[in-house]
Amino acid sequence: AQKITQTQPGMFVQEKEAVTLDCTYDTSDPSYGLFWYKQPSSGEMIFLIYQGSYDQQNATEGRYSLNFQKARKSANLVISASQLGDSAMYFCAMRDYAGNNRKLIWGLGTSLAVNP
Amino acid sequence: GAVVSQHPSWVICKSGTSVKIECRSLDFQATTMFWYRQFPKQSLMLMATSNEGSKATYEQGVEKDKFLINHASLTLSTLTVTSAHPEDSSFYICSASGQGVSYEQYFGPGTRLTVT
Repeated sequence: AQKITQTQPGMFVQEKEAVTLDCTYDTSDPSYGLFWYKQPSSGEMIFLIYQGSYDQQNATEGRYSLNFQKARKSANLVISASQLGDSAMYFCAMRDYAGNNRKLIWGLGTSLAVNP
Repeated sequence: GAVVSQHPSWVICKSGTSVKIECRSLDFQATTMFWYRQFPKQSLMLMATSNEGSKATYEQGVEKDKFLINHASLTLSTLTVTSAHPEDSSFYICSASGQGVSYEQYFGPGTRLTVT
Protein backbone atom coordinates (compact mmCIF):
# COMPACT_ATOMS: atom_id res chain seq x y z
CA ALA A 1 0.00 0.00 0.00
CA GLN A 2 1.11 3.52 -0.67
CA LYS A 3 2.28 5.48 2.32
CA ILE A 4 4.01 8.73 3.20
CA THR A 5 5.94 9.02 6.44
CA GLN A 6 7.04 12.25 8.05
CA THR A 7 8.80 11.41 11.29
CA GLN A 8 9.35 14.93 12.60
CA PRO A 9 6.22 16.33 14.26
CA GLY A 10 8.04 19.57 15.01
CA MET A 11 11.26 21.26 14.00
CA PHE A 12 13.05 24.43 15.07
CA VAL A 13 15.54 26.38 13.01
CA GLN A 14 17.37 29.63 13.50
CA GLU A 15 16.62 32.39 11.04
CA LYS A 16 18.97 32.36 8.02
CA GLU A 17 20.01 28.76 8.58
CA ALA A 18 19.05 25.80 6.41
CA VAL A 19 16.67 23.08 7.54
CA THR A 20 15.78 19.65 6.20
CA LEU A 21 12.33 18.17 6.60
CA ASP A 22 12.20 14.42 6.20
CA CYS A 23 9.83 12.43 4.05
CA THR A 24 9.92 8.77 3.13
CA TYR A 25 7.46 7.05 0.88
CA ASP A 26 6.38 3.58 -0.06
CA THR A 27 4.93 2.54 -3.37
CA SER A 28 5.27 -0.37 -5.75
CA ASP A 29 4.47 1.74 -8.79
CA PRO A 30 7.46 2.86 -10.89
CA SER A 31 5.73 6.05 -11.97
CA TYR A 32 4.83 8.51 -9.24
CA GLY A 33 5.17 12.10 -8.20
CA LEU A 34 6.18 13.65 -4.91
CA PHE A 35 4.94 17.00 -3.65
CA TRP A 36 5.64 19.35 -0.80
CA TYR A 37 3.05 21.81 0.43
CA LYS A 38 3.26 24.55 3.03
CA GLN A 39 0.30 25.40 5.23
CA PRO A 40 0.62 28.61 7.27
CA SER A 41 -1.73 29.37 10.13
CA SER A 42 -4.18 30.94 7.67
CA GLY A 43 -4.90 27.42 6.40
CA GLU A 44 -4.25 27.72 2.71
CA MET A 45 -2.18 24.98 1.10
CA ILE A 46 0.73 26.43 -0.82
CA PHE A 47 2.46 24.25 -3.40
CA LEU A 48 6.24 24.36 -2.98
CA ILE A 49 7.94 21.79 -5.14
CA TYR A 50 7.40 18.69 -7.24
CA GLN A 51 9.61 15.70 -8.09
CA GLY A 52 8.71 13.07 -10.66
CA SER A 53 10.00 9.56 -10.17
CA TYR A 54 11.78 9.64 -13.52
CA ASP A 55 13.31 13.05 -13.07
CA GLN A 56 17.08 12.76 -13.26
CA GLN A 57 17.84 15.85 -11.24
CA ASN A 58 16.64 16.99 -7.87
CA ALA A 59 13.93 19.61 -8.11
CA THR A 60 14.69 23.15 -6.99
CA GLU A 61 12.42 26.18 -6.61
CA GLY A 62 14.14 29.23 -5.21
CA ARG A 63 15.07 28.51 -1.59
CA TYR A 64 13.41 25.10 -1.74
CA SER A 65 15.13 21.99 -2.99
CA LEU A 66 14.13 18.38 -2.85
CA ASN A 67 16.75 15.81 -1.92
CA PHE A 68 15.41 12.86 -3.88
CA GLN A 69 17.00 9.52 -3.06
CA LYS A 70 15.05 6.98 -5.03
CA ALA A 71 16.79 3.88 -3.70
CA ARG A 72 16.07 4.97 -0.16
CA LYS A 73 12.57 6.13 -1.09
CA SER A 74 13.13 9.47 0.51
CA ALA A 75 12.19 12.94 -0.68
CA ASN A 76 13.43 15.40 1.91
CA LEU A 77 12.69 19.09 1.60
CA VAL A 78 15.58 21.47 2.16
CA ILE A 79 14.81 25.08 2.93
CA SER A 80 17.84 27.32 2.69
CA ALA A 81 18.27 30.67 4.45
CA SER A 82 15.18 30.25 6.62
CA GLN A 83 12.92 33.23 7.10
CA LEU A 84 10.41 33.99 9.84
CA GLY A 85 7.66 33.58 7.26
CA ASP A 86 8.67 29.96 6.75
CA SER A 87 7.08 29.07 10.09
CA ALA A 88 4.23 26.77 9.09
CA MET A 89 3.12 23.17 8.70
CA TYR A 90 4.78 21.30 5.86
CA PHE A 91 3.20 18.31 4.20
CA CYS A 92 4.77 15.73 1.92
CA ALA A 93 2.42 14.00 -0.52
CA MET A 94 2.61 11.42 -3.26
CA ARG A 95 0.56 10.51 -6.26
CA ASP A 96 1.00 7.42 -8.35
CA TYR A 97 0.26 7.55 -12.03
CA ALA A 98 -0.82 3.96 -12.47
CA GLY A 99 -4.48 4.52 -11.74
CA ASN A 100 -6.95 6.92 -13.27
CA ASN A 101 -7.63 8.81 -10.09
CA ARG A 102 -5.50 11.72 -9.05
CA LYS A 103 -5.59 11.18 -5.32
CA LEU A 104 -2.72 12.37 -3.20
CA ILE A 105 -1.44 10.34 -0.29
CA TRP A 106 -0.48 12.68 2.55
CA GLY A 107 2.00 12.55 5.37
CA LEU A 108 1.10 13.75 8.86
CA GLY A 109 3.09 16.92 8.45
CA THR A 110 5.95 18.70 10.19
CA SER A 111 5.49 21.92 12.11
CA LEU A 112 8.42 24.23 11.47
CA ALA A 113 9.21 27.14 13.73
CA VAL A 114 11.81 29.68 12.65
CA ASN A 115 13.42 31.50 15.55
CA PRO A 116 14.68 35.06 15.18
CA GLY B 1 -2.72 31.03 -13.12
CA ALA B 2 -4.49 28.01 -11.60
CA VAL B 3 -6.46 29.84 -8.95
CA VAL B 4 -9.10 28.11 -6.88
CA SER B 5 -11.54 30.01 -4.71
CA GLN B 6 -13.75 28.83 -1.91
CA HIS B 7 -16.81 30.45 -0.45
CA PRO B 8 -17.48 31.14 2.31
CA SER B 9 -14.13 31.36 4.06
CA TRP B 10 -15.81 30.78 7.38
CA VAL B 11 -19.33 29.96 8.51
CA ILE B 12 -21.12 29.45 11.79
CA CYS B 13 -24.38 27.55 11.75
CA LYS B 14 -26.80 26.03 14.21
CA SER B 15 -27.01 22.33 14.78
CA GLY B 16 -29.48 20.69 12.42
CA THR B 17 -29.11 23.15 9.59
CA SER B 18 -27.38 22.58 6.25
CA VAL B 19 -24.38 24.46 4.92
CA LYS B 20 -23.18 24.72 1.35
CA ILE B 21 -19.54 25.38 0.47
CA GLU B 22 -18.55 26.36 -3.06
CA CYS B 23 -15.27 25.62 -4.79
CA ARG B 24 -14.47 27.35 -8.06
CA SER B 25 -11.56 27.10 -10.46
CA LEU B 26 -11.14 30.63 -11.76
CA ASP B 27 -8.82 30.28 -14.71
CA PHE B 28 -8.79 26.65 -15.75
CA GLN B 29 -11.17 23.81 -16.33
CA ALA B 30 -11.21 21.46 -13.41
CA THR B 31 -12.03 17.98 -14.59
CA THR B 32 -11.57 16.64 -11.07
CA MET B 33 -12.17 18.25 -7.73
CA PHE B 34 -11.28 16.92 -4.32
CA TRP B 35 -12.80 17.68 -0.96
CA TYR B 36 -10.72 17.39 2.18
CA ARG B 37 -11.39 17.75 5.85
CA GLN B 38 -8.75 18.79 8.32
CA PHE B 39 -8.86 18.80 12.10
CA PRO B 40 -6.50 21.07 14.06
CA LYS B 41 -2.87 19.99 13.99
CA GLN B 42 -3.70 17.05 11.73
CA SER B 43 -3.16 16.12 8.12
CA LEU B 44 -5.66 16.42 5.32
CA MET B 45 -8.26 13.70 5.11
CA LEU B 46 -9.70 13.11 1.67
CA MET B 47 -13.47 12.94 1.80
CA ALA B 48 -14.40 12.50 -1.84
CA THR B 49 -13.31 12.90 -5.42
CA SER B 50 -15.68 14.38 -7.96
CA ASN B 51 -15.46 14.41 -11.71
CA GLU B 52 -17.48 16.87 -13.71
CA GLY B 53 -20.85 15.48 -14.67
CA SER B 54 -20.64 12.29 -12.66
CA LYS B 55 -21.30 11.16 -9.12
CA ALA B 56 -18.65 11.73 -6.52
CA THR B 57 -16.54 8.88 -5.22
CA TYR B 58 -16.50 8.90 -1.46
CA GLU B 59 -13.72 7.60 0.73
CA GLN B 60 -14.44 4.81 3.13
CA GLY B 61 -16.19 6.01 6.24
CA VAL B 62 -17.52 9.25 4.72
CA GLU B 63 -21.31 9.45 4.75
CA LYS B 64 -22.45 10.36 1.27
CA ASP B 65 -25.92 11.33 2.45
CA LYS B 66 -24.46 13.75 4.94
CA PHE B 67 -21.81 15.29 2.74
CA LEU B 68 -23.46 15.95 -0.61
CA ILE B 69 -21.09 16.80 -3.42
CA ASN B 70 -22.11 18.23 -6.76
CA HIS B 71 -19.72 18.92 -9.63
CA ALA B 72 -22.09 20.36 -12.17
CA SER B 73 -19.60 22.25 -14.30
CA LEU B 74 -15.90 22.35 -15.09
CA THR B 75 -15.43 25.31 -12.80
CA LEU B 76 -17.71 24.65 -9.84
CA SER B 77 -18.11 21.98 -7.21
CA THR B 78 -20.20 22.26 -4.06
CA LEU B 79 -20.11 20.44 -0.75
CA THR B 80 -23.28 20.52 1.33
CA VAL B 81 -23.08 19.43 4.94
CA THR B 82 -26.61 18.33 5.76
CA SER B 83 -28.10 18.37 9.24
CA ALA B 84 -24.84 19.64 10.65
CA HIS B 85 -23.76 18.69 14.16
CA PRO B 86 -20.98 20.10 16.34
CA GLU B 87 -18.72 17.16 15.42
CA ASP B 88 -18.87 18.36 11.80
CA SER B 89 -17.00 21.49 12.83
CA SER B 90 -13.77 21.42 10.90
CA PHE B 91 -11.69 23.04 8.20
CA TYR B 92 -12.85 21.98 4.74
CA ILE B 93 -10.51 22.41 1.78
CA CYS B 94 -11.15 21.79 -1.87
CA SER B 95 -8.63 21.27 -4.60
CA ALA B 96 -8.96 21.13 -8.35
CA SER B 97 -7.11 19.30 -11.03
CA GLY B 98 -7.14 19.90 -14.76
CA GLN B 99 -5.81 18.16 -17.81
CA GLY B 100 -2.10 18.09 -18.42
CA VAL B 101 -1.06 19.90 -15.28
CA SER B 102 2.08 18.49 -13.74
CA TYR B 103 1.48 19.99 -10.33
CA GLU B 104 -1.82 18.20 -10.24
CA GLN B 105 -3.85 19.85 -7.51
CA TYR B 106 -4.51 23.49 -6.83
CA PHE B 107 -6.02 24.25 -3.48
CA GLY B 108 -8.69 26.63 -2.38
CA PRO B 109 -8.12 28.75 0.74
CA GLY B 110 -10.40 26.56 2.85
CA THR B 111 -13.63 27.04 4.76
CA ARG B 112 -13.81 26.95 8.51
CA LEU B 113 -17.13 25.52 9.66
CA THR B 114 -18.33 25.90 13.23
CA VAL B 115 -21.56 24.20 14.23
CA THR B 116 -23.09 25.46 17.46
